[in-house]
Amino acid sequence: NAGVTQTPKFRVLKTGQSMTLLCAQDMNHEYMYWYRQDPGMGLRLIHYSVGEGTTAKGEVPDGYNVSRLKKQNFLLGLESAAPSQTSVYFCASSPLRGRSNQPQHFGDGTRLSIL
Amino acid sequence: GENVEQHPSTLSVQEGDSAVIKCTYSDSASNYFPWYKQELGKRPQLIIDIRSNVGEKKDQRIAVTLNKTAKHFSLHITETQPEDSAVYFCAAHSGSARQLTFGSGTQLTVLP
Repeated sequence: NAGVTQTPKFRVLKTGQSMTLLCAQDMNHEYMYWYRQDPGMGLRLIHYSVGEGTTAKGEVPDGYNVSRLKKQNFLLGLESAAPSQTSVYFCASSPLRGRSNQPQHFGDGTRLSIL
Repeated sequence: GENVEQHPSTLSVQEGDSAVIKCTYSDSASNYFPWYKQELGKRPQLIIDIRSNVGEKKDQRIAVTLNKTAKHFSLHITETQPEDSAVYFCAAHSGSARQLTFGSGTQLTVLP
């Protein structure tokens, strides 16, 4: 069980470039999440998905798009990167257990720098 | 939406002493409260969690208490060790939103 795998681990972009971050989980979890982590601000939710084919906005969705075409994958896209999007991005997943909230399992993160 | 405040932002303790980190939340519907530990350059890892039908939970040197009336919960680490040094995040999960809202984190340093 690899758990939650994020690719790439590091990336440097120029302003205006686009890229896609991939998150894959092998735990058959229904829920998947994308967060960004900035110094002194904890983790902030960008987008999330409660199942294949569904996505929803989190706290800071502007400038990002997501897709969940397969249950095990959750993609985060930056269409036109801006320096303000320099951050560490974490993907997480959690299972569905009735109506009970479950722990989220995190990937190792992607360090993204926008020049 | 939910708002989680965490204090203190930094905490230094001597090895062997106890450490306490406190969080408050705003949404009375929140019913799940995990704590994550994040070492430098690593992923956040769950260390303990508590649900709203429980007032206290303990796992070896770590304990969490929850006061639903006051809407605050705390992490207690006893007999601290240098390997406890990390950033700790509290979070609150609203059942209606299936989302976690995180506190801003506490940098814990255990001095040998």
